[in-house]
Amino acid sequence: NAGVTQTPKFQVLKTGQSMTLQCAQDMNHEYMSWYRQDPGMGLRLIHYSVGAGITDQGEVPNGYNVSRSTTEDFPLRLLSAAPSQTSVYFCASSSRDRASDEKLFFGSGTQLSVL
Amino acid sequence: AQTVTQSQPEMSVQEAETVTLSCTYDTSESNYYLFWYKQPPSRQMILVIRQEAYKQQNATENRFSVNFQKAAKSFSLKISDSQLGDTAMYFCAFMRNFNKFYFGSGTKLNVKP
Repeated sequence: NAGVTQTPKFQVLKTGQSMTLQCAQDMNHEYMSWYRQDPGMGLRLIHYSVGAGITDQGEVPNGYNVSRSTTEDFPLRLLSAAPSQTSVYFCASSSRDRASDEKLFFGSGTQLSVL
Repeated sequence: AQTVTQSQPEMSVQEAETVTLSCTYDTSESNYYLFWYKQPPSRQMILVIRQEAYKQQNATENRFSVNFQKAAKSFSLKISDSQLGDTAMYFCAFMRNFNKFYFGSGTKLNVKP
């Protein structure tokens, strides 16, 4: 059981470039989300999804897009990278169907640097 | 919006001793979940313990236990018999509706030999 698979692990971009962070889960979880982690600020919610075809904004959505065409996949797109988007990004999933899944399952994170 | 506050940016404890990490939160909800996550240098996020707000009994997982004070909106984590492997960042988190988690800024715990 792979859990939440997030790629790439590291990425360096130049200002203005675009890219997509990939996220897939194989647990049939209905909830998926993206967080960014910055020093001294914990994890902040960027976007989330409660099911295929349904997405919504979190605390810090500006500069990011998401889509959820399948239950398994939830990619995060940076439209035009800025140095302020230098951060560690985490994808996560959860479910209310089973008590054991009522928590966040995290991917391994992506260290993104924007120069 | 919900807020989660961890007022201790960094703490140290001697191996085998006990340490308590503090967390307070603000919400108008009556039903929610609270969590402690551990993040070692590997960057992996590991669930330490979970508490459901409607349960009176404090959650316990081996050496880890919580002191959940619902009226005071306090959720502290006690680590007993601290081990070197407990060295990590610890994040307190609040969840409602299973799709929105709110995290504190974290406490860096250093266990000294």
